[in-house]
Amino acid sequence: GAVVSQHPSWVICKSGTSVKIECRSLDFQATTMFWYRQFPKQSLMLMATSNEGSKATYEQGVEKDKFLINHASLTLSTLTVTSAHPEDSSFYICSARLPGQVGGDKYFGPGTRLTVL
Amino acid sequence: QKEVEQNSGPLSVPEGAIASLNCTYSDRGSQSFFWYRQYSGKSPELIMFIYSNGDKEDGRFTAQLNKASQYVSLLIRDSQPSDSATYLCAASPNSGGSNYKLTFGKGTLLTVNP
Repeated sequence: GAVVSQHPSWVICKSGTSVKIECRSLDFQATTMFWYRQFPKQSLMLMATSNEGSKATYEQGVEKDKFLINHASLTLSTLTVTSAHPEDSSFYICSARLPGQVGGDKYFGPGTRLTVL
Repeated sequence: QKEVEQNSGPLSVPEGAIASLNCTYSDRGSQSFFWYRQYSGKSPELIMFIYSNGDKEDGRFTAQLNKASQYVSLLIRDSQPSDSATYLCAASPNSGGSNYKLTFGKGTLLTVNP
C-alpha cells in the first residue's frame, strides 16, 4: 500500500529558530499534499494545500510567510516553520493524494510533534 | 464558517456492545463524509466514507447519513478494546479531483472496557 513518511517525528527547538518538516510519498507520486496542524484535543486544521510545481494555497488565518511550503517534486513537500514560537507547538501532519483519488484521504504521514521552548 | 460538530465524550461502552458515534455538519453543500480513527499520538486512519443517504456497512462498522438533518453517524458492532481511540468525522463539498478539502470535527473519544 501507499506509504507517506514524515521527518522528523519529533523536534524540540528554541523560540526564534526555524524548523523544516519533510513529507514524502515513498512509493507513489502525489500531485497534491496537504498540511494539517492539530492541537491537543482539537481537530485537524488544514493549513495549506500543496501542489507540485506551484505555490501552496493557504487557508484563511494561516500566515504564508511564517509557514513556508515547498512542493519541489511529486514525492516531497516541506513545511518550514520560521521564527517558531511556543504557540506554534503542535502536531503537524501531512497527507498525500494520488491523482484523481476519491473516497477520502487515506495516506497520512505519521506526524511531527513540534515543541518550541 | 463550515463546522463539523462531535460530542467530545468520552463515550464508554463494554466489550461486545454497540458504540454509536454522532456528527452534525453546518454546510449544506457538503456531499461526502468520512470517519477516521486516531490513536493517541498517531495520525488518522480512514475507516469508511459515505456519500448517499442511508446506511453503508463495512464489517463491524456502519455509517449512516441523513442529509436533510445534516447528520452522520458511525456504529461499531461487537466493540473491542482495540477500538478505543478518538473517532473523527470529516466532511467535504465533493470527493473528486485532487484539491477537495476535508473539514474535521474535534473527535469523540471512545473507550471500550474489557
